[in-house]
Amino acid sequence: GQQLNQSPQSMFIQEGEDVSMNCTSSSIFNTWLWYKQDPGEGPVLLIALYKAGELTSNGRLTAQFGTTRKDSFLNISASIPSDVGIYFCAGQLGETSGSRLTFGEGTQLTVNP
Amino acid sequence: DAMVIQNPRYQVTQFGKPVTLSCSQTLNHNVMYWYQQKSSQAPKLLFHYYDKDFNNEADTPDNFQSRRPNTSFCFLDIRSPGLGDAAMYLCATSRVRAWETQYFGPGTRLLVL
Repeated sequence: GQQLNQSPQSMFIQEGEDVSMNCTSSSIFNTWLWYKQDPGEGPVLLIALYKAGELTSNGRLTAQFGTTRKDSFLNISASIPSDVGIYFCAGQLGETSGSRLTFGEGTQLTVNP
Repeated sequence: DAMVIQNPRYQVTQFGKPVTLSCSQTLNHNVMYWYQQKSSQAPKLLFHYYDKDFNNEADTPDNFQSRRPNTSFCFLDIRSPGLGDAAMYLCATSRVRAWETQYFGPGTRLLVL
């Protein structure tokens, strides 16, 4: 089956630093999604990418859909304490009966004030 | 304002005692999903409904059942919870079109005693 390798597994950074995390896949996806999950909450969609090569920003977040359709990265600039959480990438093939997401293993981000 | 609502947020049940978790949505999305998420892991899809069509994942135990009486509501029934079923249960929705993203509810944390 499809697998997503997400790295790094965890990051400990100082407030104000930039952060980069990425996901790679053994097979292609039609959509890449990035979610953030706070403790005890459901994942919240941050950025959705629909086309190979697409670069999309959402405030301090920037994500790109790799040209091979097998990878994606997420950058966070000028991190702040509320950026703490687990970030998941997810690939989506897109099926007519509903889209299955394949999740990465998550990146746990800790921001020290 | 809430779009995907899950009740209760915390549920305690006894070993072997049936339990039902509920999810409702105000988005009028065709597809509803149930995920199980254990600590420090990515969400794992259990099944999903495309309108009234039920789609079970191959590795979802028979202990887990679901009902969708109408577009807005979907229930997860755990017939005989075991200790290993303690987890966060996430509901998500999406439109029918294959490229539409999934929106998650806040989750129900299930504790089995």
